[in-house]
Amino acid sequence: AQKVTQAQTEISVVEKEDVTLDCVYETRDTTYYLFWYKQPPSGELVFLIRRNSFDEQNEISGRYSWNFQKSTSSFNFTITASQVVDSAVYFCALSGLSSGYSTLTFGKGTMLLVSP
Amino acid sequence: EPEVTQTPSHQVTQMGQEVILRCVPISNHLYFYWYRQILGQKVEFLVSFYNNEISEKSEIFDDQFSVERPDGSNFTLKIRSTKLEDSAMYFCASREAGELFFGEGSRLTVL
Repeated sequence: AQKVTQAQTEISVVEKEDVTLDCVYETRDTTYYLFWYKQPPSGELVFLIRRNSFDEQNEISGRYSWNFQKSTSSFNFTITASQVVDSAVYFCALSGLSSGYSTLTFGKGTMLLVSP
Repeated sequence: EPEVTQTPSHQVTQMGQEVILRCVPISNHLYFYWYRQILGQKVEFLVSFYNNEISEKSEIFDDQFSVERPDGSNFTLKIRSTKLEDSAMYFCASREAGELFFGEGSRLTVL
């Protein structure tokens, strides 16, 4: 069975603050993928990143960075110098070899509110 | 950039009515999916479809749900007799080999 836990239900920050969204996962698969999606108020799911379980190198993309730690089964997401447009629900998700990578298990999401 | 398109964007229906949600996956993709998100909750897997048949389905996907690929481009989700609890956003997704690309969703409201 797979499980994704996003313990933070809602985070509020003021613009330009850095914020980290936590994600902890459980899987019996030795090979799996981790994802982050952004869901703005308009409702669509916007793909942000996919990370293979064999690649523990941290990744940075502009103001976004991801910290993958296999030892603690965590895949945390940091937004540097947050902006109002970052306000959205962010979902962490997992897909594993046992399902042929065919399905995503999502966490419950973290709502990020960035105020001016 | 190729994208997954879904219609309608919003549908309101009466309880007990049949609903068909339509999706046009990205053209060279081989794997198709439906996910559901009840308002304020997480996104849940419903069904995956490959090679013209269901490859996996969740316990949510009971006998009132069906999927079909009637032609080379469309992928549909049918709910035979809608219930109040079917009110949700339904996301179609497709992939070739890598990441899942989601459509913008179809919001279903059952009254």
